[in-house]
Amino acid sequence: GENVEQHPSTLSVQEGDSAVIKCTYSDSASNYFPWYKQELGKRPQLIIDIRSNVGEKKDQRIAVTLNKTAKHFSLHITETQPEDSAVYFCAASPRTGNTPLVFGKGTRLSVIA
Amino acid sequence: DSGVTQTPKHLITATGQRVTLRCSPRSGDLSVYWYQQSLDQGLQFLIQYYNGEERAKGNILERFSAQQFPDLHSELNLSSLELGDSALYFCASSVGQEQYFGPGTRLTVT
Repeated sequence: GENVEQHPSTLSVQEGDSAVIKCTYSDSASNYFPWYKQELGKRPQLIIDIRSNVGEKKDQRIAVTLNKTAKHFSLHITETQPEDSAVYFCAASPRTGNTPLVFGKGTRLSVIA
Repeated sequence: DSGVTQTPKHLITATGQRVTLRCSPRSGDLSVYWYQQSLDQGLQFLIQYYNGEERAKGNILERFSAQQFPDLHSELNLSSLELGDSALYFCASSVGQEQYFGPGTRLTVT
């Protein structure tokens, strides 16, 4: 089955700097790659996603890139702010339609003011 | 607010007991997923229902079971509880690939 690896497990950046979180997946049939942000004690919140027919997607300060050949995708956060501090999870969906997500183990991002 | 609701928010119970967690999906979503998140751990998929039928099973223990009712709400039943079952239990719903999570139920087994 699908396996998602996420790095780094923790990341500290200065406010205003960029942060990059990387994930790799194993199943070449996976075609949907969402990113979730989870603040302490709260629900995972979908912040951006990308499908396999697209190489990059941006939404204000966040962007996701996908390299299907290498089977990896990355989250980029620019101009980081203290409120970006949270745990970020990447995930992959092995098939189209209503299928479970396979999650990475998460990255704890700390933005230092 | 994702539109997915879960009750109760918190649950404290003793080892050996049985509890039921409830989830109501977003209006129109046919799929419900249950995930377990232990302390400082990732999200482990437990089970999925689609329009009342079990669709996929993940790392769900035999002591755990779930069902989805005709109104599409779902219940996760946890029995013979052990200390290690203490965790956040999330449900999510989807109509396609995008999954939206509820606020979770924090289960503490003492």
